[in-house]
Amino acid sequence: DGGITQSPKYLFRKEGQNVTLSCEQNLNHDAMYWYRQDPGQGLRLIYYSQIVNDFQKGDIAEGYSVSREKKESFPLTVTSAQKNPTAFYLCASSSLAGGPWTGELFFGEGSRLTVL
Amino acid sequence: AQSVAQPEDQVNVAEGNPLTVKCTYSVSGNPYLFWYVQYPNRGLQFLLKYITGDNLVKGSYGFEAEFNKSQTSFHLKKPSALVSDSALYFCAFNAGNNRKLIWGLGTSLAVNP
Repeated sequence: DGGITQSPKYLFRKEGQNVTLSCEQNLNHDAMYWYRQDPGQGLRLIYYSQIVNDFQKGDIAEGYSVSREKKESFPLTVTSAQKNPTAFYLCASSSLAGGPWTGELFFGEGSRLTVL
Repeated sequence: AQSVAQPEDQVNVAEGNPLTVKCTYSVSGNPYLFWYVQYPNRGLQFLLKYITGDNLVKGSYGFEAEFNKSQTSFHLKKPSALVSDSALYFCAFNAGNNRKLIWGLGTSLAVNP
């Protein structure tokens, strides 16, 4: 089955530690996105990438880092510089092929990070 | 600033009754408008989109939405609600084809048996 896999589903971290969230897709999509979701705040874009070895900051990139070394993978690192990292993190992908962008995003099941 | 608003944090409806989840937008030009649904502790799923053409758009799970340019609205509707429709619904738009979506804050729909 094609889809997006995020891991781990739940993660606990101590303050001051970096943590990396995995996102893998087998949909052959060019674009990948990381969102942060907090109750009552909707989805906020952290980083996105439209091509391998290139990515752009979203609205709340501070304290986060990403890489896009392979088309299938877009890991997110939550660094110790992120002041309030406890949240639900969602990875998504989208096809850019064949004309205007359709706007249809495919989401993973999310990773819930809790800082102790 | 361009934005999308979901004026209701929560909507309650009885099973079998029609449901409406509201979305209004403030976007220059011709926006692309979307609805997504999120079930508890899950990722979002695409429901439907309006790009151009017929103002009434049909989507997944029996949902539909009507694009109303004069009222700058894109309300999500379903003729007969199911308990399984209970979820968080997000309206979103894209303007300028920059391949990013701008999201509303979400509306929690509760369908009561």
